[in-house]
Amino acid sequence: GQNIDQPTEMTATEGAIVQINCTYQTSGFNGLFWYQQHAGEAPTFLSYNVLDGLEEKGRFSSFLSRSKGYSYLLLKELQMKDSASYLCAPMDSNYQLIWGAGTKLIIKP
Amino acid sequence: DTGVSQNPRHKITKRGQNVTFRCDPISEHNRLYWYRQTLGQGPEFLTYFQNEAQLEKSRLLSDRFSAERPKGSFSTLEIQRTEQGDSAMYLCASRRGGQDTQYFGPGTRLTVL
Repeated sequence: GQNIDQPTEMTATEGAIVQINCTYQTSGFNGLFWYQQHAGEAPTFLSYNVLDGLEEKGRFSSFLSRSKGYSYLLLKELQMKDSASYLCAPMDSNYQLIWGAGTKLIIKP
Repeated sequence: DTGVSQNPRHKITKRGQNVTFRCDPISEHNRLYWYRQTLGQGPEFLTYFQNEAQLEKSRLLSDRFSAERPKGSFSTLEIQRTEQGDSAMYLCASRRGGQDTQYFGPGTRLTVL
């Protein structure tokens, strides 16, 4: 079967660094997407990894290990506006995204 | 603004009524998706179009739900005889082919009283 595992909720302090882990099992693999979703809004694209390693994009970085079925999203210099849910979504062999429930990130001052 | 638009943004209806939502994807995107999302959950796949062809539909989807994309551009999602359990955010997303990113519209929030 296809499965996504992420922590339900995490809390971090403004200005700090947080790492959101994701493990997955899919039927085939065509890369992994991370989306950010603020409450009441639609998901917005953050990053895409298809090869192993780290992709850096400003304050956000995403890592992938295909052999381990593992990815993480690293957020640096946290700001209050980063309070949101973060969705890990691998793409299966049919190019369909597999969605979990996401991780709700709470930033405290 | 991703370029994907949805209308209406909010819909309140009474149980038993029919509702229809519209999605206008990014113009060069031939793949279009409908999802449903409830509080604290990720998007739940409903159906998928490539151009005007509906290629996949969730097995969990009631036959009260139907979707069309008649000219391969905009799409509509209709829910007949709405139930309170249909209350959710209905999201549309579009993309080009292959591994291209899905871009979401702002969603339609449905409340069934």
